[in-house]
Amino acid sequence: KAGVTQTPRYLIKTRGQQVTLSCSPISGHRSVSWYQQTPGQGLQFLFEYFSETQRNKGNFPGRFSGRQFSNSRSEMNVSTLELGDSALYLCASSETGGGEKLFFGSGTQLSVL
Amino acid sequence: QKEVEQDPGPLSVPEGAIVSLNCTYSNSAFQYFMWYRQYSRKGPDLLMYTYSSGNKEDGRFTAQVDKSSKYISLFIRDSQPSDSATYLCAGRKTSYDKVIFGPGTSLSVIP
Repeated sequence: KAGVTQTPRYLIKTRGQQVTLSCSPISGHRSVSWYQQTPGQGLQFLFEYFSETQRNKGNFPGRFSGRQFSNSRSEMNVSTLELGDSALYLCASSETGGGEKLFFGSGTQLSVL
Repeated sequence: QKEVEQDPGPLSVPEGAIVSLNCTYSNSAFQYFMWYRQYSRKGPDLLMYTYSSGNKEDGRFTAQVDKSSKYISLFIRDSQPSDSATYLCAGRKTSYDKVIFGPGTSLSVIP
């Protein structure tokens, strides 16, 4: 089976722009979680989607949003980018999101200038 | 206060040493605990998954959870250069709740 695929791998944006990141989970996985990773804060939970519904949410501002499609693929969007949004954004999938292993992609490295 | 805390390191040990990695957590509702390993420019990969207090062993790796002191440990025996990575501990309240990660400890095993 193919692993979790995140695109693009690298992204450079300027302040005020918006960005959309994509995540294709492992085939058959219905849960997709998003995390932001920075050197200072580590891995911080953004949100989790299961069967196209947001099931869990972290403590990020409303500029961060996501969605999941019927094929389980997920996108996250960040509007009005700030310098502090520069980070590695990781997506993880699992079959149901409950009790089992999270499979992570290699992430999208976002730089905001 | 972060829900899960780790010493960021870096920790440097000679090949063959026993490595001890530690975490503390503040949320007493956590029941499930995990250790993930992350290599440079890769996503984290699960090493150990445990429920409640106790020990779990898998090959060279042993995870320990002490819920009374809110302390999580990972021991690596006969450490190898390939163990050089960042180790993330994590906890969750229920099996369907969000997974909360610590900031990670960077480990280097020197040949």
